[in-house]
Amino acid sequence: GENVEQHPSTLSVQEGDSAVIKCTYSDSASNYFPWYKQELGKRPQLIIDIRSNVGEKKDQRIAVTLNKTAKHFSLHITETQPEDSAVYFCAASYDLNTDKLIFGTGTRLQVFP
Amino acid sequence: KAGVTQTPRYLIKTRGQQVTLSCSPISGHRSVSWYQQTPGQGLQFLFEYFSETQRNKGNFPGRFSGRQFSNSRSEMNVSTLELGDSALYLCASSLEVAGRTDTQYFGPGTRLTVL
Repeated sequence: GENVEQHPSTLSVQEGDSAVIKCTYSDSASNYFPWYKQELGKRPQLIIDIRSNVGEKKDQRIAVTLNKTAKHFSLHITETQPEDSAVYFCAASYDLNTDKLIFGTGTRLQVFP
Repeated sequence: KAGVTQTPRYLIKTRGQQVTLSCSPISGHRSVSWYQQTPGQGLQFLFEYFSETQRNKGNFPGRFSGRQFSNSRSEMNVSTLELGDSALYLCASSLEVAGRTDTQYFGPGTRLTVL
């Protein structure tokens, strides 16, 4: 069945440290994996995404890695800042012919100054 | 370009009533998806529309329905409201590139409270 597991559910780090959030998906047909950041009371915002033909993608302090064999992907944030504090959601696509996304349960990241 | 917009932003209804929520996608985007967000269940897929046709549907009862208009705007309707329908309803739009899942951009959501 379609399922995305996300860990940890909460993560506290000191400013300047790195943060890693991991997700595992169940459907081999999934080939698109976005990450969204949601601040309190705001809409989810796409921060980075990766497709299955790529193993890693970076955008400044943010990177995502994908292991298709193990069916897991991870978000890496380096040099964390207090404004990185938010809930982060991973997601996996359902299949090629739809935009349907299966979301993980979210990780609340707190960055302490 | 203006982002995805949703109206109304907040709604308070009582059990048994019905509600209609509206979503205007980013200009040029042709696909609209709806999600329900609750603290307990997270983000759950409701349905997806493309070219005025429902392309996919999540595991929600028939009380939840939707439609898409020729200008890509979409509405969702919930009939016979229950307390458990209280949630943030998010819509997301994408450009729609054939043969792949496209990047989706979310609206601000409609916060529905059922009393």
